[in-house]
Amino acid sequence: DAKTTQPNSMESNEEEPVHLPCNHSTISGTDYIHWYRQLPSQGPEYVIHGLTSNVNNRMASLAIAEDRKSSTLILHRATLRDAAVYYCILRDWVKTSYDKVIFGPGTSLSVIP
Amino acid sequence: GAVVSQHPSRVICKSGTSVKIECRSLDFQATTMFWYRQFPKKSLMLMATSNEGSKATYEQGVEKDKFLINHASLTLSTLTVTSAHPEDSSFYICSARDPGTATGELFFGEGSRLTVL
Repeated sequence: DAKTTQPNSMESNEEEPVHLPCNHSTISGTDYIHWYRQLPSQGPEYVIHGLTSNVNNRMASLAIAEDRKSSTLILHRATLRDAAVYYCILRDWVKTSYDKVIFGPGTSLSVIP
Repeated sequence: GAVVSQHPSRVICKSGTSVKIECRSLDFQATTMFWYRQFPKKSLMLMATSNEGSKATYEQGVEKDKFLINHASLTLSTLTVTSAHPEDSSFYICSARDPGTATGELFFGEGSRLTVL
């Protein structure tokens, strides 16, 4: 399985942009890049996903490197509610009907008021 | 968007009793659901893949007789922790994929916190 690596933790000041990096050097051509986040004492929630092009939604932006070996989740203005663990995961679209998801340790984001 | 719901959100039980946790997909049918457990300040650990109408597939090191999984319908999977002991205390989370989405995003339940006294 293609793996991802992320920094263990990051800090951001409130209302400033946050760039959360993810390396996935062994990504295959059929892997989507997914990001999830987990707020304290809750189940993870979907944030965003992409394949090749940069993506934007109401929660965040996803910037994908041209060689697809890395990506960056961008929170444009961090709020205290964005303090969470962020997980970068690869999902093979050919196998998504049964492909299990293994979580790495993720990045624990702290937001400083 | 797709919703996955777990029940109960919190349960406290005595050592030796069994506890059942339900996971429901509310607005889609899920042939496959996944069960995770999570210890404090740790990542999610996949326990098993629940398959509708067939046996669950357990990850290495997970006791199938201890953690019984039943996926009797396309919207319901249950995890039963049998003869629970304090070391089974954990946060249990289920997830499912909406087959109506082509790109495989997973939807997660709210989690169920089990405390075994």
